Amino acid sequence: DAKTTQPTSMDCAEGRAANLPCNHSTISGNEYVYWYRQIHSQGPQYIIHGLKNNETNEMASLIITEDRKSSTLILPHATLRDTAVYYCIAPGGADGLTFGKGTHLIIQP
Amino acid sequence: EPEVTQTPSHQVTQMGQEVILRCVPISNHLYFYWYRQILGQKVEFLVSFYNNEISEKSEIFDDQFSVERPDGSNFTLKIRSTKLEDSAMYFCASSEGSATNEKLFFGSGTQLSVL
Repeated sequence: DAKTTQPTSMDCAEGRAANLPCNHSTISGNEYVYWYRQIHSQGPQYIIHGLKNNETNEMASLIITEDRKSSTLILPHATLRDTAVYYCIAPGGADGLTFGKGTHLIIQP
Repeated sequence: EPEVTQTPSHQVTQMGQEVILRCVPISNHLYFYWYRQILGQKVEFLVSFYNNEISEKSEIFDDQFSVERPDGSNFTLKIRSTKLEDSAMYFCASSEGSATNEKLFFGSGTQLSVL
């Protein structure tokens, strides 16, 4: 897996957009970037993934820079239930995902 | 939405005993995984399984661990002689394809406590 770097924690007000950054400067040209989250010791949950183009689904948007060295996960209207640890992962050629410490996102009421 | 189910949700065992953790992956998935998370620590990859054999394993997955897909629907993790340090939440996951380009679906986990 390519190494990823994320802030340890972030706060966001309920109803506002939460923007979670991730640096992956060593990512190779054909490696996807995946985002998962873990809500309070539940199983990790897939959010979104992308390669080069920006992506959007019902949960979030993913913005990938043109040089692919960083990306931002956007939760457009954060709710209290979005409080979780968010993981940015670039699996590379491995079958097993390598989870780092992620970003602990706290949504404030 | 289809989901990965794990049983039991909690398992308490004595040190040195064998435990089997059970998982039912999503029915059309081909890749199966076990992860663990010690309290307060990162989620750690243990093993991946494809085409009825282990495709990748981590250093944690030593000879005390084994996996099996006994009947085409269940996927099990066996720990032969449990140690105190095996106490953790164990997550099963499955995917249609390799984790490189397919999303993983995780179960809700089995909390294993070794006394």
